[in-house]
Amino acid sequence: GEDVEQSLFLSVREGDSSVINCTYTDSSSTYLYWYKQEPGAGLQLLTYIFSNMDMKQDQRLTVLLNKKDKHLSLRIADTQTGDSAIYFCAATYGGATNKLIFGTGTLLAVQP
Amino acid sequence: DTGVSQNPRHKITKRGQNVTFRCDPISEHNRLYWYRQTLGQGPEFLTYFQNEAQLEKSRLLSDRFSAERPKGSFSTLEIQRTEQGDSAMYLCASSAPGHGNTEAFFGQGTRLTVV
Repeated sequence: GEDVEQSLFLSVREGDSSVINCTYTDSSSTYLYWYKQEPGAGLQLLTYIFSNMDMKQDQRLTVLLNKKDKHLSLRIADTQTGDSAIYFCAATYGGATNKLIFGTGTLLAVQP
Repeated sequence: DTGVSQNPRHKITKRGQNVTFRCDPISEHNRLYWYRQTLGQGPEFLTYFQNEAQLEKSRLLSDRFSAERPKGSFSTLEIQRTEQGDSAMYLCASSAPGHGNTEAFFGQGTRLTVV
């Protein structure tokens, strides 16, 4: 079945780049997403990538997809304290439902 | 505010009681999802509606759980005879009709605590 895994914690200094990694098991994924969750808040979609793409850049965010290794990463350039949150990667596998399969989340702590 | 709205935001209930949560999706969205998120975990899919039809239910949705979307607009999720293991954040999401990628917008969730 589908499974999505992430490392639990990442600590960086303000101004550095952050790289959050994710692996997934089912190669039939169609879209892969990165969501941000701040304390007490819902999930905010940051960016997504279609499975036939290798890279997508959106301002400070860069998504890299390695389909062979089933590895997805999110790079945040010039990380700010406001980027401190939990980041979830998620995948969809097509079909009528288009439900999201989420990873366990990575807590990003940005030190001033 | 035209986002996804969930009520209540917090619910504390005694074990064995029934609870009902409500989700109001974005008005033109015909797809509606319920997810459950426990502490330290990512959200897990519970059920999916397209308009008023419930098209998929997860195995996580035991027979104590029932969800409805009677007119294809708002949705309710009821948990009967609550157990401590039901304590979680219940998230609702909606998305627009279409094929391929359609962004799911999430509400702020209802946090349930069963004591």
